[in-house]
Amino acid sequence: QKEVEQNSGPLSVPEGAIASLNCTYSDRGSQSFFWYRQYSGKSPELIMSIYSNGDKEDGRFTAQLNKASQYVSLLIRDSQPSDSATYLCAVTLLNYGGSQGNLIFGKGTKLSVKP
Amino acid sequence: SAVISQKPSRDICQRGTSLTIQCQVDSQVTMMFWYRQQPGQSLTLIATANQGSEATYESGFVIDKFPISRPNLTFSTLTVSNMSPEDSSIYLCSVDRLTDTQYFGPGTRLTVL
Repeated sequence: QKEVEQNSGPLSVPEGAIASLNCTYSDRGSQSFFWYRQYSGKSPELIMSIYSNGDKEDGRFTAQLNKASQYVSLLIRDSQPSDSATYLCAVTLLNYGGSQGNLIFGKGTKLSVKP
Repeated sequence: SAVISQKPSRDICQRGTSLTIQCQVDSQVTMMFWYRQQPGQSLTLIATANQGSEATYESGFVIDKFPISRPNLTFSTLTVSNMSPEDSSIYLCSVDRLTDTQYFGPGTRLTVL
């Protein structure tokens, strides 16, 4: 069973702090890794994609990938109340038996940024 | 990214009826996907809609229950057939524009009574 695991939270951080969101995946053949943000009642919005080991920065967001540990994380610097949402980790798997390009989603971590 | 619209945005339906959800994209895309998000849960892929061929369904989803059409490269429909309250979910379409990156439509919130 292909799995993507996330701590469901809620993760609560004060405004201005760094929020750290973590995700592990079970299939070593995973190729592409994504973080989506989903506000309550809204559809997922792509924040970051990462394909190779190391860090990738985009504004206040940094994605980190460690394929040896099968671990991907998202750091949000200078957290704002508007960052309060559920963050979904998603992975595409090599040789997955279903459809081409199938994203496997974790259950999401709910982040709350307190003013 | 892509501009994706879905119709209807929400609906309340009676048990045993069917609902067709439309997904329209502002430009041609090869891959379109249909997901379901049950209350409090994450997203589960229902099927991949391929233009010019039959949709590819994931384990646990069948064509009789979720027939899909993909008449061209900018449009797809998903029908939820013979609905029961267990079908109450948000249904999302997504498109793949570049390097496995998927962008989601606004979703259709379905409640079955």
